[in-house]
Amino acid sequence: AQKITQTQPGMFVQEKEAVTLDCTYDTSDQSYGLFWYKQPSSGEMIFLIYQGSYDEQNATEGRYSLNFQKARKSANLVISASQLGDSAMYFCAMRPASGNTPLVFGKGTRLSVIA
Amino acid sequence: DGGITQSPKYLFRKEGQNVTLSCEQNLNHDAMYWYRQDPGQGLRLIYYSQIVNDFQKGDIAEGYSVSREKKESFPLTVTSAQKNPTAFYLCASRAPSRGQNEKLFFGSGTQLSVL
Repeated sequence: AQKITQTQPGMFVQEKEAVTLDCTYDTSDQSYGLFWYKQPSSGEMIFLIYQGSYDEQNATEGRYSLNFQKARKSANLVISASQLGDSAMYFCAMRPASGNTPLVFGKGTRLSVIA
Repeated sequence: DGGITQSPKYLFRKEGQNVTLSCEQNLNHDAMYWYRQDPGQGLRLIYYSQIVNDFQKGDIAEGYSVSREKKESFPLTVTSAQKNPTAFYLCASRAPSRGQNEKLFFGSGTQLSVL
């Protein structure tokens, strides 16, 4: 069974600094997709970034980048130039090989940005 | 604007009572999902439906029921058999495509509490 592990329950970062949120996954599939979502205190889930297992380049979306190390089965999220509005829960998720299979989520990391 | 609407935002259940959480989408997505979120637990899958009139149990389906009579609607009933229903419930849908477009779209959630 697929599993996502996020080992950092909480993280602090100074405003304008970069921060890395860790995510490792366990799967025997060759084809899969990896996602990061942000959940502010309001509760909605905001899609941030996607990485396909066959993508050769690391995904980037504005201040977000995904450090994808396939051999290590890690998909860490890097947030550059942190802002106060980045304070939220962050979830890593994986879509297994079958396109219809639901996403599997990690337990999340709470990021707090300090002024 | 296209999106997913969950209602109510807050819901209270009395002992022995069934309650139904509404989820409606106008994104024309075939697949819909219900996740439960508890503090420190991440998102856990309750039920999902890939097409109208069909649905499958997720990891924690006991004490819950669903229906999918229309493409737009996927209501979740929390039955009296669910002994610990207090949680944040998120509904999501997904387009039938691969890559970044297979990301989940989420509603704003329903917080269910027991009186």
